[in-house]
Amino acid sequence: EPEVTQTPSHQVTQMGQEVILRCVPISNHLYFYWYRQILGQKVEFLVSFYNNEISEKSEIFDDQFSVERPDGSNFTLKIRSTKLEDSAMYFCASRELAGVTDTQYFGPGTRLTVL
Amino acid sequence: SQQGEEDPQALSIQEGENATMNCSYKTSINNLQWYRQNSGRGLVHLILIRSNEREKHSGRLRVTLDTSKKSSSLLITASRAADTASYFCATSYNTDKLIFGTGTRLQVFP
Repeated sequence: EPEVTQTPSHQVTQMGQEVILRCVPISNHLYFYWYRQILGQKVEFLVSFYNNEISEKSEIFDDQFSVERPDGSNFTLKIRSTKLEDSAMYFCASRELAGVTDTQYFGPGTRLTVL
Repeated sequence: SQQGEEDPQALSIQEGENATMNCSYKTSINNLQWYRQNSGRGLVHLILIRSNEREKHSGRLRVTLDTSKKSSSLLITASRAADTASYFCATSYNTDKLIFGTGTRLQVFP
C-alpha cells in the first residue's frame, strides 16, 4: 500500500542552523501539508501546499519557515535559523482529491532536536 | 477557533473489553476524523465521518457524531493489546487544515 515517507527520522542540530526536512508524498496526491507536535502537546497545522504554492499557513509558519516541491516527488520543509522551541516531531501529510472531506495520510515523522 | 478535546485523557482496560473515547469541539465542521498514534510514531488514519452522518463502522471501530452537541465518540470493541496507542480526533471546516484534539492514551492489558 502506498505511504508517505519522511527523512531523516531524527535530526539533531545546533540553534541557529538551517535544517531541511524531506517528505515523499503518495505519488498521485495533489495536496501536501506539514504539521508539528511538540512533545506532550497537540498536533498543530503548519502549512498546506497545492499547485506549487502555499494555500494556507498558520501563525507558527513565520518567515523562518519555507516549503518547496523541488521535483515531482519530494516536498520539503526548511527552517532557516532553528530555535530551541522548534524541537518537535514534524509530520508530512498528503491528500488525493479536491474538496474538504478527503483523508490526509501522514508520514512517520521527523523528530527534530535543537540544542 | 475549533478545538478538539478528548476524554478521558487516559484509559486502561483488559483485552476483550470495549474502549470508548469521546471528542468535543467548539465550532461547525465539515467532517471529523479519528487517528491513532503509537508511541513516538506517525499518525494512522482510522475513520472519517461527515457532518451529515451520525454513525459509521469500520471493522471493530464504531464512530458516532452528534453535531447538536458538538461531540463524537470512538468505540473499539473487543480490544487487543495491539490497540494500545494514543487516539486523536481532528476536525476541519471549509478548509483542509486539520485541528487536532488533545488525545486519549489507551492502554490495553493482555
